[in-house]
Order: sequence, then C-alpha cells, then structure tokens
Amino acid sequence: EIVLTQSPAALSVSPGERATLSCRASQTVSSNLAWYQQKPGQAPRLLIYSASTRATGIPARFSGSGSRTEFTLTISSLQSDDFAVYFCQQYSNRPLTFGGGTKVEIK
Amino acid sequence: QVQLVESGGGVVRPGGSLRLSCAASGLTFSNYGMHWVRQAPGKGLEWVAAISFDGSNKYYADSVKGRFTISRDNSMGTLFLQMSSLGAEDTAIYYCAKVPTRLDITFYFDFWGQGALVSVS
Repeated sequence: EIVLTQSPAALSVSPGERATLSCRASQTVSSNLAWYQQKPGQAPRLLIYSASTRATGIPARFSGSGSRTEFTLTISSLQSDDFAVYFCQQYSNRPLTFGGGTKVEIK
Repeated sequence: QVQLVESGGGVVRPGGSLRLSCAASGLTFSNYGMHWVRQAPGKGLEWVAAISFDGSNKYYADSVKGRFTISRDNSMGTLFLQMSSLGAEDTAIYYCAKVPTRLDITFYFDFWGQGALVSVS
C-alpha cells in the first residue's frame, strides 16, 4: 500500500497570501496524483488531477506540481472561500490511498 | 448536471447489516466505474470498494473484504454497498464517487455524492 504523507497538518494563512501544501508518497506514483478540497459538512471536490491539471471550473489560483514521490499544491492568493481541508490521493496502485489532509485556516 | 445521492444510512447495532444506495442522474451511469469512500468522524478519507462500469470487476479494501459487497444496477442507474458484520470501526460517512472513464477503475474521482452516515452503536 502506498502511504501519502501530507504536511503541514495545519497552516494559518492571511487572505491574499500564498499557501503551499505538500504531499509525499512512500513510493513513486508517477503523475497519478489528485488533490481535493473539503469544507465542513460537504463532500470533497476535485481540484487537480494528473498532478498538475486543474479540474473543470477550478480557479487558476490553484496549481499543482511534482511527480514520482513529491507533490505540491499551491494556492497563489488565498480567498475566504479557500479555507478548508485539502487531501491528496494516489491512483497509481490499488488500494487507492489518501493523505491525512492539510487544514488551511485563517490567520 | 451530474448528481449522486446516497441513501440507506442509519444507526445499526454491532454485528448488524445495512445496505447503502447511490442514485445517479445527469450521466450515462453505465459508462463509468464507481467507488465507495468513507470518512470516520473528524478523520481522513478511506477508500472502501470499487466496481467497473459493467460490474465485472470488483475490488475491496482489506478492512472490509469478506464483509462488504459492492454492486450496481445499470438499468436503474444505482450503486449499492451491502455491509455486514458491522463494527464500531465502520462508523463513518460513506460517499459514492465516480471516476471519469470506463477504461480504468483505478483513477481519481471527479464527482462525489453528499454522503450517508452509518453509525454502529
């Protein structure tokens, strides 16, 4: 099973600032990595797939990068709507696995 | 637009059984692989089970293998999860989620339902 480790667990950021979230895989997943946003009481929403491709309707302030074992989600200028928990997911191998999440909080 | 609506959640005693349903609309259901993913209260996401577009291939997490059964009825546009021998560790919100292709079940999830809460107590 591929283990995904997200860091930091929580991040305090002021509106308008940049947020950088990390996801590390225990073995290579190539570019088979997705990012999701989850707000309280809601289902996750797909943000990024194939490590760097934005999903339909996702604003350009969200960007993904990386390959193999090291991945980054960057939110270039945080908006009030962006404060949420972010999960990464690998789909290189079964079982599909998720990272533990990073909570982005208002500073 | 695509909608996935889960139902069938509730409170069940340890050792009991429950069947979840996920009704799909706004898409050609038979074209897509489908999954169940769960989230324990205040915790992260855990993949549970997957089924191919035609139901011919099914996969399970080790934690539920032998206890849970995933199935689908393409004529009704509905996904199911039959859960048995439930324990406290199965308490979670259960989401159904679709993948964007019929070619591979091992993929990311482009749409999720709102979830159904299963509480084992």
